[in-house]
Amino acid sequence: GDSVTQMEGPVTLSEEAFLTINCTYTATGYPSLFWYVQYPGEGLQLLLKATKADDKGSNKGFEATYRKETTSFHLEKGSVQVSDSAVYFCALSGGSNYKLTFGKGTLLTVNP
Amino acid sequence: SAVISQKPSRDICQRGTSLTIQCQVDSQVTMMFWYRQQPGQSLTLIATANQGSEATYESGFVIDKFPISRPNLTFSTLTVSNMSPEDSSIYLCSVDLGPNFGPGTRLTVL
Repeated sequence: GDSVTQMEGPVTLSEEAFLTINCTYTATGYPSLFWYVQYPGEGLQLLLKATKADDKGSNKGFEATYRKETTSFHLEKGSVQVSDSAVYFCALSGGSNYKLTFGKGTLLTVNP
Repeated sequence: SAVISQKPSRDICQRGTSLTIQCQVDSQVTMMFWYRQQPGQSLTLIATANQGSEATYESGFVIDKFPISRPNLTFSTLTVSNMSPEDSSIYLCSVDLGPNFGPGTRLTVL
């Protein structure tokens, strides 16, 4: 079945540092890939997505590129802020059913 | 994109009781989903709710424990039945647009 493996945290960075959170997946066919963010005490927000190979999703300074050859969708940001402190989830949706399979989540803490 | 609201936002319930969670979407959607997020864990899909048909449950989840209604294209309910402390979780509604999520319902069972 489908699965998502993402870098387990916690990840602690200083403000303005470069962020990478690794995500790899296993799926049949050509899934859509997503990054969600969950701020403390809140629900999930869609951060970015990519629906086909070589697509780059981007939002709020975050980027991720759909790499079919390495089955990866790593999240990056060039300069993190304290307000980026949250849990980040990588997810995939196989086929057209929109059911999401999630990774375990990565807690990011950014210190001033 | 769809805006999703859930009620209640949180609740504290006694063991053995049931709680019904409502999910309202501001536009018509074909598919609605219910997920569970146990404390400190990732999200697990409970079931898919399509209007006019029975919900489809994932492995490990049964209708008697988590009955679902989908009376129209903008609304769904999830009931958590005969609750135990192990049901303490965040329950989230999602739709096939986005996919976006509701803000979640934080359930504590004593």
